[in-house]
Amino acid sequence: EDQVTQSPEALRLQEGESSSLNCSYTVSGLRGLFWYRQDPGKGPEFLFTLYSAGEEKEKERLKATLTKKESFLHITAPKPEDSATYLCAAVSGYGQNFVFGPGTRLSVLP
Amino acid sequence: GAGVSQSPSNKVTEKGKDVELRCDPISGHTALYWYRQSLGQGLEFLIYFQGNSAPDKSGLPSDRFSAERTGGSVSTLTIQRTQQEDSAVYLCASSLDRGRIYYGYTFGSGTRLTVV
Repeated sequence: EDQVTQSPEALRLQEGESSSLNCSYTVSGLRGLFWYRQDPGKGPEFLFTLYSAGEEKEKERLKATLTKKESFLHITAPKPEDSATYLCAAVSGYGQNFVFGPGTRLSVLP
Repeated sequence: GAGVSQSPSNKVTEKGKDVELRCDPISGHTALYWYRQSLGQGLEFLIYFQGNSAPDKSGLPSDRFSAERTGGSVSTLTIQRTQQEDSAVYLCASSLDRGRIYYGYTFGSGTRLTVV
C-alpha cells in the first residue's frame, strides 16, 4: 500500500533560522512527488513537483529535493509569513491519485 | 471563475441528517477531485471526475457517500445519515485534465462539516 509520512509533526523556528522538513514515501514506481502549502482555513496551494531522485526545485526561500525514499523541503532564513502547514504527496506508477502525508505545521516567530 | 469555489464554507448538522456540499471548479477544468481532511490526518481521496467518463469512486468510505457532476462543471458531494466520524474539512480540487496533475491541482478553501 502506498504511504507517505512527514516529520516533524510541528516545527517552531525563529525568524532567520534555517531548517528542513522531511517527507518519506513508500510507493510503487513514483511518478511524482509534490509539495503543497496550506494556510489555516484555506485549501492547499501547489509549490513543487519532483520527478526523479537527485532533482531539486527552488522558489524564494524554499528548496525541495528528492531521493529514492525521501524528499526534503529546505527553508532558508524563514520569515513569519512562511508559517503554514506543508503537505507532501506522491503519485505512484499504478495509482492515479495523490497520497498525502499528514503535514508539518511550521511556525516562524519574529 | 478565478478559483475553485466551495459552499457552504461551514456546515453544522445533526447526526442522521443528510448534507450536500457544492464545488464549482475553475472554468475549463475537466478534472475534479474531492478529498477529506480530518484533524491530524493527511488528505484522503474520495472521488474523481474526468470529463464525461465514469467517475473513480474508489475512495468513498461507505455507501452513505455519493457525488455527481452536472454538465461537466459543478459537483455535489452528498453524505446521507451523517455520523460524527464524518466531521472533517471536505476539499474540492480541479485541474485542466488528469495529465496536468503534475502542475498541481487548484484547491478550493473547503467546507468544514461538523456533525453534532
